[in-house]
Amino acid sequence: ILNVEQSPQSLHVQEGDSTNFTCSFPSSNFYALHWYRWETAKSPEALFVMTLNGDEKKKGRISATLNTKEGYSYLYIKGSQPEDSATYLCAYSTSGTYKYIFGTGTRLKVLA
Amino acid sequence: KAGVTQTPRYLIKTRGQQVTLSCSPISGHRSVSWYQQTPGQGLQFLFEYFSETQRNKGNFPGRFSGRQFSNSRSEMNVSTLELGDSALYLCASSSIGRGRVQETQYFGPGTRLLVL
Repeated sequence: ILNVEQSPQSLHVQEGDSTNFTCSFPSSNFYALHWYRWETAKSPEALFVMTLNGDEKKKGRISATLNTKEGYSYLYIKGSQPEDSATYLCAYSTSGTYKYIFGTGTRLKVLA
Repeated sequence: KAGVTQTPRYLIKTRGQQVTLSCSPISGHRSVSWYQQTPGQGLQFLFEYFSETQRNKGNFPGRFSGRQFSNSRSEMNVSTLELGDSALYLCASSSIGRGRVQETQYFGPGTRLLVL
């Protein structure tokens, strides 16, 4: 049974703080790891897709790293802003399948 | 380019009834996936369609079914509704093709179903 775990479940930070979350996934048959941001009352929005061990992606103040051998990915937010408040989801897929296994997300609240 | 659209956005049904939800993918996208989200749960994969064929199915009972049309629009049907089917149902589309690297999924706004 595939299981994707995200930690922490929720997080409150002050505006300007930097923060990071973890996504853990089975390392066997890895194919791709996706990060999404899901703001309240909106649709999940894709942030990154990573496929190679050691991948690093960056989009503005947000970046992500991937370790497929040990089965984890980190998402970093530098200088958090109130508009970063959202649930951050990771999703993992395996070779030969066409489905994504999602974690339950990390809920971030940035306080002004 | 227009995004993924889902109809209806909200729905109230009673136990035992059936419901059909609709999803129109981004133009040119041929893959449509459906997910269920309930409080405290992550997005649970229901099924994925590509070129009118179901390629993968999650662990849901047979009451949950779907189909895809030649224009890539997809419908999801739930028969004999139960209280536990109350959830947000999301569909997502991608241009994923056979043998290609998996690409990003683009999500619709969801249909919120309440079963009384």
